Amino acid sequence: SAVISQKPSRDICQRGTSLTIQCQVDSQVTMMFWYRQQPGQSLTLIATANQGSEATYESGFVIDKFPISRPNLTFSTLTVSNMSPEDSSIYLCSVAGQVGGTEAFFGQGTRLTVV
Amino acid sequence: DAKTTQPPSMDCAEGRAANLPCNHSTISGNEYVYWYRQIHSQGPQYIIHGLKNNETNEMASLIITEDRKSSTLILPHATLRDTAVYYCIVSLGGGSTLGRLYFGRGTQLTVWP
Repeated sequence: SAVISQKPSRDICQRGTSLTIQCQVDSQVTMMFWYRQQPGQSLTLIATANQGSEATYESGFVIDKFPISRPNLTFSTLTVSNMSPEDSSIYLCSVAGQVGGTEAFFGQGTRLTVV
Repeated sequence: DAKTTQPPSMDCAEGRAANLPCNHSTISGNEYVYWYRQIHSQGPQYIIHGLKNNETNEMASLIITEDRKSSTLILPHATLRDTAVYYCIVSLGGGSTLGRLYFGRGTQLTVWP
């Protein structure tokens, strides 16, 4: 298993500002991912955070809006840039790829409200 | 895109078995069926996965039809803590795809006393 810590757990932000969400894992993992869950909706994959290279974004998500860093095998950040009320969502970090692992693990999420 | 179809909601009496169906008629031969659940205000939690054989673990059983076009997740003795949204996901299940999951809308399971 993997224990994932996300910070902050929640935040209320002004439109036009940016928020950086941190994801820390208690063990080295090969893969880290970021998801978005809009109110009342299912989870949508934003991107794969690649260590040492640029993140791989899913269709509909771009680096200018959601820049991602992954400096090592246990840490990643997601920034939500130039926020609007439509960005109000829960953002979740996920990891996979521990030795012998067969599933993904999720953090508790960051609940973002943009006003 | 999600390749699965699930009923939007189901309910179950506490102590009874909960049987959650999932259709995945376009599943490829090398794709696994994964089940995750999301309890309110928490991140998703892995339950079980399988390729073509039935699987059982401490949480649940997974029954996959012979043609692999559908499956059923069975919680043998549902408790109130099993109230959650249950997601059936089809995935290649290895390498870089292990965590690249495409969630459908899932089934809201409500367990009542």
